[in-house]
Amino acid sequence: SQQGEEDPQALSIQEGENATMNCSYKTSINNLQWYRQNSGRGLVHLILIRSNEREKHSGRLRVTLDTSKKSSSLLITASRAADTASYFCATLEYGNKLVFGAGTILRVKS
Amino acid sequence: DTAVSQTPKYLVTQMGNDKSIKCEQNLGHDTMYWYKQDSKKFLKIMFSYNNKELIINETVPNRFSPKSPDKAHLNLHINSLELGDSAVYFCASSQGVGGNEQYFGPGTRLTVT
Repeated sequence: SQQGEEDPQALSIQEGENATMNCSYKTSINNLQWYRQNSGRGLVHLILIRSNEREKHSGRLRVTLDTSKKSSSLLITASRAADTASYFCATLEYGNKLVFGAGTILRVKS
Repeated sequence: DTAVSQTPKYLVTQMGNDKSIKCEQNLGHDTMYWYKQDSKKFLKIMFSYNNKELIINETVPNRFSPKSPDKAHLNLHINSLELGDSAVYFCASSQGVGGNEQYFGPGTRLTVT
């Protein structure tokens, strides 16, 4: 089953601009996580936000969580070419399984 | 110092062959996972072990058999390989279960011809 669905599927921006990606999910969650995957590499954990949190920051990353709308957003400020990657949200499903969305492909042009 | 390592990185083989992928983590985690990422980048969990005990066993063909000799290692053996098995397989680890952050290996790209 696919829990999280990211939007947009692909995003192309200029260096220095902000990038916003959204994730929607279907069931109740304990936490929601965002991961980055560079081309040909494994996933790297970016940030985890718990269900009782509304916003979390880490460096240039800002994540929000709206449990009433079952959605989350990831904002990357002042983007860099090195931010070019796929970004996935993941939620914990029954049975302690982390279920990943389809991902957003971000391209930052220099 | 690599946290989660996998070997081999690339694996090209013919249909019907048997192959293994090895995974090792040096993070001291007690839980390890195998994921499959298809050509559309969908990432799906296959198996998970906690303290060498199988805790997640998704609906995968029984040609796939995981084995955890100790907490730091999780191997994946695949029998009678099929074209549809072509994908990138990722190993991951975490401390505990229940949605803690997971650390991923670099992946093994399996191509079945």
